[in-house]
Amino acid sequence: DIQMTQSPSTLSASVGDRVTITCRASQSISRWLAWYQQKPGKAPKLLIYKASTLESGVPSRFSGNRSGTEFTLTISSLQPDDFATYYCQQYNDYTWTFGQGTKVEIK
Amino acid sequence: EVQLLESGGGLVQPGGSLRLSCAASGFTFSSFAMTWVRQAPGKGLDWVSAISGSGASSYFADSVKGRFTISRDNSRNTLYLQMNSLRAEDTAIYHCAKVKDASYYFYGMDVWGRGTTVTVSS
Repeated sequence: DIQMTQSPSTLSASVGDRVTITCRASQSISRWLAWYQQKPGKAPKLLIYKASTLESGVPSRFSGNRSGTEFTLTISSLQPDDFATYYCQQYNDYTWTFGQGTKVEIK
Repeated sequence: EVQLLESGGGLVQPGGSLRLSCAASGFTFSSFAMTWVRQAPGKGLDWVSAISGSGASSYFADSVKGRFTISRDNSRNTLYLQMNSLRAEDTAIYHCAKVKDASYYFYGMDVWGRGTTVTVSS
């Protein structure tokens, strides 16, 4: 099974900061990685799919990148609405696996 | 409006059974694969099961294989998860989610329900 290692588990940042979250796959998953945002008590929200394609309606300060089996989610200028938990998710051979999550907290 | 609404959660004893439902609206239900994803209290997201748009193919995480079954009624726009031999570690909020693309599974899940809570305890 493919494992996803997400880091950091917690990130403290201020409004306006540039933040980056990393997810590493245990083997090649091509571009089949998505990123989600989840706020307490709410359902996850799709932000990015196919490693770097922004979901409709998602602000352009969010971006995704891929380098081999390493994937990153970057928020270029953190906004108050962005404090949440973020998850990566891979798809391979009819199986989906989530990363452990990164909680973005107010510094 | 595209919407998913789960129901059927509750308190069940270890070894018991429960059937979850997910009512879909606002999109052509039969065209899209659907999934169940759970979240244990204070923990991360955990994919459970998926089913093709026609219902002909289904897939399960190893942790639930042989205990859970997934089905759908496209005439009623409803997804189901039958959970048998429940264990304490199955305690979680269960979300249904729609696969984004009608043809490919690898574009992520773009519509989620708010979830229904399952508690397995004696």
